[in-house]
Amino acid sequence: GNSVTQMEGPVTLSEEAFLTINCTYTATGYPSLFWYVQYPGEGLQLLLKATKADDKGSNKGFEATYRKETTSFHLEKGSVQVSDSAVYFCALTLNAGGTSYGKLTFGQGTILTVHP
Amino acid sequence: EAGVAQSPRYKIIEKRQSVAFWCNPISGHATLYWYQQILGQGPKLLIQFQNNGVVDDSQLPKDRFSAERLKGVDSTLKIQPAKLEDSAVYLCASSPGQPSSGNTIYFGEGSWLTVV
Repeated sequence: GNSVTQMEGPVTLSEEAFLTINCTYTATGYPSLFWYVQYPGEGLQLLLKATKADDKGSNKGFEATYRKETTSFHLEKGSVQVSDSAVYFCALTLNAGGTSYGKLTFGQGTILTVHP
Repeated sequence: EAGVAQSPRYKIIEKRQSVAFWCNPISGHATLYWYQQILGQGPKLLIQFQNNGVVDDSQLPKDRFSAERLKGVDSTLKIQPAKLEDSAVYLCASSPGQPSSGNTIYFGEGSWLTVV
């Protein structure tokens, strides 16, 4: 089946530190990959996405590269801010031909806390 | 553009009682999803509608959960009777047209259910 595995959390960093949150996936077919963010008390928001191998998604200083050879989509940011404190979810959908076409499969989420 | 609207935002009920959640997707979005997010876990798909038809309800506990989207616009998710393990956030989401490669799925703020 399809699944997403994220690094164990929570992650605690100081402001301006470098962030990496690891994400690996298992999928039958050719998935699109996403990172969603959930700020305290708010709904899920799309942070970035990549739809094919070697694509790089980027937004708000965050980036992630779709690595088919390692089945990974790690999230990175060069300098985190206190306002980046949130829960980050890696997710996938299957592309054309997959039976779960359009359905998001999520990882368990990683809590990020950034201290001043 | 208005986002996905959900109500109520918060609900506390006793076990064996019933509850209903309402969702109004983004205007024109044909695909509507209900996800369940238990604390500390990633969201899990309960049911997916394409217009007013069910595409996927394989993970919906049909003995107690039901959902409908009669006119292909707004939707209602019902739980009857509720169990303690149903305590979760119920997320509604929508996406435009047919689910396709990389199509963005937009989430509402969620309905927080506590069963006591």
